[in-house]
Amino acid sequence: GEDVEQSPFLSVREGDSSVINCTYTDSSSTYLYWYKQEPGAGLQLLTYIFSNMDMKQDQRLTVLLNKKDKHLSLRIADTQTGDSAIYFCAESMRTGANNLFFGTGTRLTVIP
Amino acid sequence: ETGVTQTPRHLVMGMTNKKSLKCEQHLGHNAMYWYKQSAKKPLELMFVYSLEERVENNSVPSRFSPECPNSSHLFLHLHTLQPEDSALYLCASSQDLGVGYEQYFGPGTRLTVT
Repeated sequence: GEDVEQSPFLSVREGDSSVINCTYTDSSSTYLYWYKQEPGAGLQLLTYIFSNMDMKQDQRLTVLLNKKDKHLSLRIADTQTGDSAIYFCAESMRTGANNLFFGTGTRLTVIP
Repeated sequence: ETGVTQTPRHLVMGMTNKKSLKCEQHLGHNAMYWYKQSAKKPLELMFVYSLEERVENNSVPSRFSPECPNSSHLFLHLHTLQPEDSALYLCASSQDLGVGYEQYFGPGTRLTVT
């Protein structure tokens, strides 16, 4: 079955870059996503990348995809205290039902 | 009111109780979803509805019973739950089914089964 793994914790200092990593097992993924969950809130889609791309940049966010190694990363430039949250990567690979498979999440703590 | 709303935000229930979780989306979307988020486990997709028809049921125990009376509302009826059912239950909606349609999530209902 699908297996999406993330490191559980990451701490960075305010102003530094954060890199959150994700590995997945199914090579037939079509889209890969990054979601952010703030305390007491639902998941918010940050960005996504189609599997035929290897990089996508959106303001402070850079997504890198290494399909050979099945590795996805999210880089946040100039990390702010408001970026403290849990970040989930997710993959989808089926048409019809929009079935997302999520990782266990990485809790990012930004130290002032 | 906009987006996806869920009520109640917190619920404590005994194993013999019957309760319902409600989700409402104000986005004009056609698809709605229930997810379960447990500590230290990935989000688990429970049910998917498209145009009020259930299209996916991921081996969820029958003590969870979904209902979608119209495309804006989704319920999750709960009865005779177990303590291991305690979790955050998230509702989501998307414009349509299919890869690439963004899912918008509600804030969740924190359920505690005693």
